Amino acid sequence: DTAVSQTPKYLVTQMGNDKSIKCEQNLGHDTMYWYKQDSKKFLKIMFSYNNKELIINETVPNRFSPKSPDKAHLNLHINSLELGDSAVYFCASSPQGSAAEAFFGQGTRLTVV
Amino acid sequence: DAKTTQPNSMESNEEEPVHLPCNHSTISGTDYIHWYRQLPSQGPEYVIHGLTSNVNNRMASLAIAEDRKSSTLILHRATLRDAAVYYCILRGLTSGTYKYIFGTGTRLKVLA
Repeated sequence: DTAVSQTPKYLVTQMGNDKSIKCEQNLGHDTMYWYKQDSKKFLKIMFSYNNKELIINETVPNRFSPKSPDKAHLNLHINSLELGDSAVYFCASSPQGSAAEAFFGQGTRLTVV
Repeated sequence: DAKTTQPNSMESNEEEPVHLPCNHSTISGTDYIHWYRQLPSQGPEYVIHGLTSNVNNRMASLAIAEDRKSSTLILHRATLRDAAVYYCILRGLTSGTYKYIFGTGTRLKVLA
């Protein structure tokens, strides 16, 4: 049973389109995250939700809108896709606390053409 | 945002121990030191974490300096499967939230 699952694994789309990436965790964690890994492999936090409430928004363009319908899901919707949005997007979850271990999904490789 | 400094890359021979260093001179008293690794084409995975004392688990050991300004991840016998990027992360409460802030990490190459 996959702890953190993302769909789709690959996404190829044209500039200007709107797309969504879904994430689900079955670990009962309170906190979920979205990270972006660019071509230089740098992992940057985008958003964090705690119990469906947005707690971190790291200066991400407002074309990116996370949605958490419940504690186990955190979806990422991207409007008007741009070439620079091409990256691997990782979803993660963790309990609260400094000692908490995070679990990451396998990533969604988004390619904008 | 990254508050840790790691070498960009290291090499090790298979079956030999590997010591991956990390400097975190601005660590606060309540920050935990976490290590994650990212295998090729996979998401990061947890390796180990600690606060003050050295820690051991089935994957690795974590040695933390007495002043907590540096730490070392120890893989006791490197295998080809250990080739990955290893990230040292500080996790603590900042502005009311917890984050995992990844730096550039150390790319470990294991030679057969």
